Amino acid sequence: AQKITQTQPGMFVQEKEAVTLDCTYDTSDPSYGLFWYKQPSSGEMIFLIYQGSYDQQNATEGRYSLNFQKARKSANLVISASQLGDSAMYFCATDRGSTLGRLYFGRGTQLTVWP
Amino acid sequence: DAGVIQSPRHEVTEMGQEVTLRCKPISGHDYLFWYRQTMMRGLELLIYFNNNVPIDDSGMPEDRFSAKMPNASFSTLKIQPSEPRDSAVYFCASSLREEDTGELFFGEGSRLTVL
Repeated sequence: AQKITQTQPGMFVQEKEAVTLDCTYDTSDPSYGLFWYKQPSSGEMIFLIYQGSYDQQNATEGRYSLNFQKARKSANLVISASQLGDSAMYFCATDRGSTLGRLYFGRGTQLTVWP
Repeated sequence: DAGVIQSPRHEVTEMGQEVTLRCKPISGHDYLFWYRQTMMRGLELLIYFNNNVPIDDSGMPEDRFSAKMPNASFSTLKIQPSEPRDSAVYFCASSLREEDTGELFFGEGSRLTVL
């Protein structure tokens, strides 16, 4: 089974600063995807960014980037120029590559952005 | 386009009652997933469908839980009889196989409280 580890239950960052949320995964599959989702206090799950295991370059989406280190099996999320609205729970997830959308989630990191 | 639509958003019921949660996936999506989120267990997959056919229900906690997808635009998750430990947020999500990223599109969730 897939395993996702998010070792930071909570993180704090000052507005406009960058923050890195850690994620490591454990898989023996040769092909897989890595995902980050944001869950604000309102409860919905918002897709942020995706990285395929064969992608040579780190994925970026606006202020979000994924620091993918395949050998270390890590897929850290970097948020640049934090905003107050970034305060939320962040989940890292992975799939088996063969069943799109069947995701295994980590326990999440609660990010708080302060002014 | 409308997103994944779930109902009810909130449900409070008494132990032993039947609960039915409903989901309308995004039109054209061929995968539908039911996830459950609790503080203790995080986000866990209950069951998923491909083209209306249940593929993997190994995450369904016990026989009290059942899910159906009678057509491509509707799915239900039923709990009968409900128990206090079923209290959780239940998410429905859909995806499209042809999409490269396999991104899951989540509904806003149904928050269930069983007294």
